[in-house]
Amino acid sequence: QVQLVQSGAEVKKPGSSVKVSCKASGGTFSSYAISWVRQAPGQGLEWMGRIIPILGIANYAQKFQGRVTITADKSTSTAYMELSSLRSEDTAVYYCAREPVGAVAVWFDPWGQGTLVTVSS
Amino acid sequence: DIVMTQTPLSLSVTPGQPASISCKSSQSLLHSDGKTYLYWYLQKPGQSPQLLIYEVSSRFSGVPDRFSGSGSGTDFTLKISRVEAEDVGVYYCMQGIHLPPTFGQGTKVEIK
Repeated sequence: QVQLVQSGAEVKKPGSSVKVSCKASGGTFSSYAISWVRQAPGQGLEWMGRIIPILGIANYAQKFQGRVTITADKSTSTAYMELSSLRSEDTAVYYCAREPVGAVAVWFDPWGQGTLVTVSS
Repeated sequence: DIVMTQTPLSLSVTPGQPASISCKSSQSLLHSDGKTYLYWYLQKPGQSPQLLIYEVSSRFSGVPDRFSGSGSGTDFTLKISRVEAEDVGVYYCMQGIHLPPTFGQGTKVEIK
């Protein structure tokens, strides 16, 4: 059974970058994709992008194009999400989630435990 | 992007009573393969979202049968036949047919 464990909470200054990790255990890392979804305080869920490790291909939501980079290290079964030029509106819990590869549709299970990123001067 | 609209945004339910949440999409979620890619998630307080229902009406592994999903095209419903205390949280519908996947605003369910 796949489990996703994320790195710990971060506090960042506006204009800086943050890199969050998501380590997978169980299952075969290359047989699925990892998406990143964020949730601002008291708000809903917003998809940011995904990586397909076996192909090394990443897709990004238009809103985050140019500011987000999602990568994966197959040797350690770890995915990373780096968000740059941080602003206060980026304060949120960032989740990684597994999605099937080769499926017609996108869906997520399981999810990581979430990483709180706080952007504050 | 496909817009997902949920109603109501909050619901207060007496234990043992039913509950129903509506979700409407701005475009049809019916794929040419005949399946409809609408999902329901529950985010319990302080937890990550968990998958409840996939492809409109199929319960995910371990999901109690008091949860049911229905609908087609652009109109969908999640029903809880008899709400229990453990069902509190925020319910989200999500479309997975087009990138980017998009979620409804969420419906907060609480117990009276």
